[in-house]
Amino acid sequence: DGGITQSPKYLFRKEGQNVTLSCEQNLNHDAMYWYRQDPGQGLRLIYYSQIVNDFQKGDIAEGYSVSREKKESFPLTVTSAQKNPTAFYLCASSMRGRNTEAFFGQGTRLTVV
Amino acid sequence: AQSVTQLGSHVSVSEGALVLLRCNYSSSVPPYLFWYVQYPNQGLQLLLKYTTGATLVKGINGFEAEFKKSETSFHLTKPSAHMSDAAEYFCAVSVITNFGNEKLTFGTGTRLTIIP
Repeated sequence: DGGITQSPKYLFRKEGQNVTLSCEQNLNHDAMYWYRQDPGQGLRLIYYSQIVNDFQKGDIAEGYSVSREKKESFPLTVTSAQKNPTAFYLCASSMRGRNTEAFFGQGTRLTVV
Repeated sequence: AQSVTQLGSHVSVSEGALVLLRCNYSSSVPPYLFWYVQYPNQGLQLLLKYTTGATLVKGINGFEAEFKKSETSFHLTKPSAHMSDAAEYFCAVSVITNFGNEKLTFGTGTRLTIIP
């Protein structure tokens, strides 16, 4: 079935470590997005990419990095520079255009221990 | 800048009662508006969207929303609440960035509780 797969579902990280969250889609979408979700704050955009080998910072990019080497994949690295990384991370993809809906993965819950 | 504001972070209604979740937008261009639903520990699912045309939009699970330009609103309604409607609901607007890209900007969400 077509969709977006995020892995792992749960991730634990020690302080000072980098971790990478995986996001893969087989919907043939050009655009992909990473959001962070915290209670009471909705979804905040971290990074987004409209085409392969190109991406832009969102509203809260500090402490995060991404790559877009393949159309299907958009991994997110949470670096040690991110001071408060514990959160629920959501990946999404869509076709280009303002009137198209975004399809979301099931999310990764990251906890710093 | 384009944005959405959701009024009420928590809403409780009785089973069978009307559901009304409020969303107001701010946009200098004709807005493209969306409502998404999120069940616990899951991703978001599209309920409905408004782009152009008819201002009353029908979505899945019996939900609908009406685009009112004069009130800059896009409120979500359902005539009769069901226990399975308990979830968090997000309003979103599609914006164009300074680089000419599209992105979705979300409201802070409304948690809907259904009282048996």
